[in-house]
Amino acid sequence: DAKTTQPTSMDCAEGRAANLPCNHSTISGNEYVYWYRQIHSQGPQYIIHGLKNNETNEMASLIITEDRKSSTLILPHATLRDTAVYYCIVSSSQGAQKLVFGQGTRLTINP
Amino acid sequence: SQTIHQWPATLVQPVGSPLSLECTVEGTSNPNLYWYRQAAGRGLQLLFYSVGIGQISSEVPQNLSASRPQDRQFILSSKKLLLSDSGFYLCAWSVRGAGGNTIYFGEGSWLTVV
Repeated sequence: DAKTTQPTSMDCAEGRAANLPCNHSTISGNEYVYWYRQIHSQGPQYIIHGLKNNETNEMASLIITEDRKSSTLILPHATLRDTAVYYCIVSSSQGAQKLVFGQGTRLTINP
Repeated sequence: SQTIHQWPATLVQPVGSPLSLECTVEGTSNPNLYWYRQAAGRGLQLLFYSVGIGQISSEVPQNLSASRPQDRQFILSSKKLLLSDSGFYLCAWSVRGAGGNTIYFGEGSWLTVV
């Protein structure tokens, strides 16, 4: 599976949009981009995933560049409860679908 | 809807003792099942995954083993725990399908080996 690169940490003001970038320049054609987050002492929570089109759900939006080499997760109106480590993962839909977690981005929402 | 149950939630075990963590998934059939571990201050590491009953794949050599005696049951075991086995253990599941196979995680089990 392709590797991803994320900033180690980010800050965002409460109520503002949080934009988390991810680079995945070696992504292949059958690999999806997944985003998860982990709040301290809890299991990772699925947020959103996409292949090449932009996606939106009740939690967030995922913007994937046309060349698919990078993406941005957008939390439109960040709250204090969005403080967590956010993981961007690239994984194939073939086979056992293993997710390989990197270090992620530690997002802190400030009041 | 699908749910995943993992127990026990916390466990304190002496070095050299055995371990058994259990995980069951409800509301789905023939899921892929996974065990992850997160050591203190570290990232999530995939330990085992299974695509069917009796089919176990190990990702890293270690002191642990996994078994899948039933379709929706996944067990993590050790015969003799080491201090380095301490950590946060997470069971997860996914179902193969079109549009990517999202993996869903349980609440985890905290293991402290003393």
